[in-house]
Amino acid sequence: QSVLTQPPSASGTPGQRVTISCSGSSSNIGSNYLYWYQQFPGTAPKLLIYRNNQRPSGVPDRFSGSKSGTSASLAISGLRSEDEADYYCAAWDDSLSGYVFGTGTKVTVL
Amino acid sequence: QVHLVESGGGVVQPGRSLRLSCAAYGFTFRSYGMHWVRQAPGKGLEWMAVISYDGSNTYYAGSVKGRFTISRDNSKDTLYLLMNSLRAEDTAVYHCAKDPSGYYYEGFDYWGQGTLVTVS
Repeated sequence: QSVLTQPPSASGTPGQRVTISCSGSSSNIGSNYLYWYQQFPGTAPKLLIYRNNQRPSGVPDRFSGSKSGTSASLAISGLRSEDEADYYCAAWDDSLSGYVFGTGTKVTVL
Repeated sequence: QVHLVESGGGVVQPGRSLRLSCAAYGFTFRSYGMHWVRQAPGKGLEWMAVISYDGSNTYYAGSVKGRFTISRDNSKDTLYLLMNSLRAEDTAVYHCAKDPSGYYYEGFDYWGQGTLVTVS
């Protein structure tokens, strides 16, 4: 089951900034790194942000991550049509001794 | 170039067993932790299990603990997931994923395309 809470959807017009929230607890986001993944329909997820705010090589700097306390957020600036996808946050949970994912957010470019 | 290829999925009756495999290419498999993550049709991602680089440490999601077993053969660069006592709710695409660390510290940096398991 999903332990991290995300809004089910987010949208914006091309060029706008969209922010996705991820809410957890002290046993996961509050004490461990937060990761973000992008997934297009029928494909494998792709790492977007690691260690709260780091971008792997090849990920545009339009994507940025932040974390504060037991919450985190992913921001997409200069929204583009190819950003239309599902986005998931994830973190290790010390109480469960396992990873937990967010509920997922579908981003739509209007 | 890292490449992960899952196999072994299919249709299986409730209560039966199935073993998934994940062949790894393009990196030193024996140096990294490996995970299984599943996604039920139309649903979100659910982490299943992780195994450390040498197989000495494993962790499982509560929903599969005692039924699923993760293992690896570093001589064959292959990860496995043995699934016993399968239930309808285990129906999902199962992805293997590589951890950037030798254990479970750093999430999942590369994913396979997945193999579909249908319990019916």
